[in-house]
Amino acid sequence: DQQVKQNSPSLSVQEGRISILNCDYTNSMFDYFLWYKKYPAEGPTFLISISSIKDKNEDGRFTVFLNKSAKHLSLHIVPSQPGDSAVYFCAASKGFQKLVFGTGTRLLVSP
Amino acid sequence: DSGVTQTPKHLITATGQRVTLRCSPRSGDLSVYWYQQSLDQGLQFLIQYYNGEERAKGNILERFSAQQFPDLHSELNLSSLELGDSALYFCASSASGTATDTQYFGPGTRLTVL
Repeated sequence: DQQVKQNSPSLSVQEGRISILNCDYTNSMFDYFLWYKKYPAEGPTFLISISSIKDKNEDGRFTVFLNKSAKHLSLHIVPSQPGDSAVYFCAASKGFQKLVFGTGTRLLVSP
Repeated sequence: DSGVTQTPKHLITATGQRVTLRCSPRSGDLSVYWYQQSLDQGLQFLIQYYNGEERAKGNILERFSAQQFPDLHSELNLSSLELGDSALYFCASSASGTATDTQYFGPGTRLTVL
């Protein structure tokens, strides 16, 4: 049972444009959501998070939006840079930190 | 560099064998987590330890076991290995293991079972 879904395995964007990565979840008990970025041969790196009491969180070029009624979150990267090319995982948790990860979206930002 | 170290980086073994993966958390972190990433899959949570005690358990097979030692390093033991156990195994650590604590991931151990 895949509780966190990233339906787009890949996304290609031009440098300077906006990248939008999407994530859907099925468990309404999730109360904390995160995005991780992963480069090849490295472990995932924390990017940004959002609590279920908020609907938006911003950190520089990265903004995460949470729509609880739709059980949907998205990560916006503006402007996109070639160095953003990586696999992005969304994750969710409830209570203690048992993170449930999506399968990832590979972002390619071309110059 | 996250500060989390994992050894070995690569491991190739045969079915039926037993292996041990090792993780050293970031300095000061008390909680350690283990994840498995199979081909084209997300990271699957296996188990969490906090200061030597098991705190949460995920989809960890009975053939797998883990522990966290007094110096806070952790080991994941995989036995009676099967082809399907081939995967990337990540360790992560966090300061207190609470819900909003950031988890810092190591580079992973790639296990290949032949």
